[in-house]
Amino acid sequence: SQQGEEDPQALSIQEGENATMNCSYKTSINNLQWYRQNSGRGLVHLILIRSNEREKHSGRLRVTLDTSKKSSSLLITASRAADTASYFCATALRSNDYKLSFGAGTTVTVRA
Amino acid sequence: DAGITQSPRHKVTETGTPVTLRCHQTENHRYMYWYRQDPGHGLRLIHYSYGVKDTDKGEVSDGYSVSRSKTEDFLLTLESATSSQTSVYFCAISGTEGNGELFFGEGSRLTVL
Repeated sequence: SQQGEEDPQALSIQEGENATMNCSYKTSINNLQWYRQNSGRGLVHLILIRSNEREKHSGRLRVTLDTSKKSSSLLITASRAADTASYFCATALRSNDYKLSFGAGTTVTVRA
Repeated sequence: DAGITQSPRHKVTETGTPVTLRCHQTENHRYMYWYRQDPGHGLRLIHYSYGVKDTDKGEVSDGYSVSRSKTEDFLLTLESATSSQTSVYFCAISGTEGNGELFFGEGSRLTVL
């Protein structure tokens, strides 16, 4: 079964607005990562946050992690049409593990 | 862009035929992965490799086998394709010690009729 689940499944916003999506997971993690996938393409890594970190920024992206609630959020500020994509969270388990477990993703549509 | 090439990019085959998908990397990364992506399921891990000749199963490994005879190549084989294996297959690589950032290929779309 999937370790992480994103919410909402789909999101439609106006250009310039902020987009927020959430990821919940089930077991303790070593780190949590967010990826973006444009239609018909492979996934691209956006940001990695470790279990001992609470917030991380990268350009217009802000990621938070709450290990007590087993949840993370990805905020995209001042969205652009080019941000239209699917976004996935992926978790790396605390155990000595080489694998990432992905959620089903949030599809974001940014309207011009 | 990470040097990952998947082949073929598109394939249509019939039920019961064998299929091999190839992932080739030029990054000399240790870890290689095969995922499948289906609507509503996100990406699910099929098999992964942590070194030459070192492979292990993921969560949906039934019906699939893999081989890694050299660092740069990771092959995924469907011995006898079924319609349930119609999917988009992604190869990914990682150079860091376990659970680090993954670099993905562009995917191989397989249709089993």
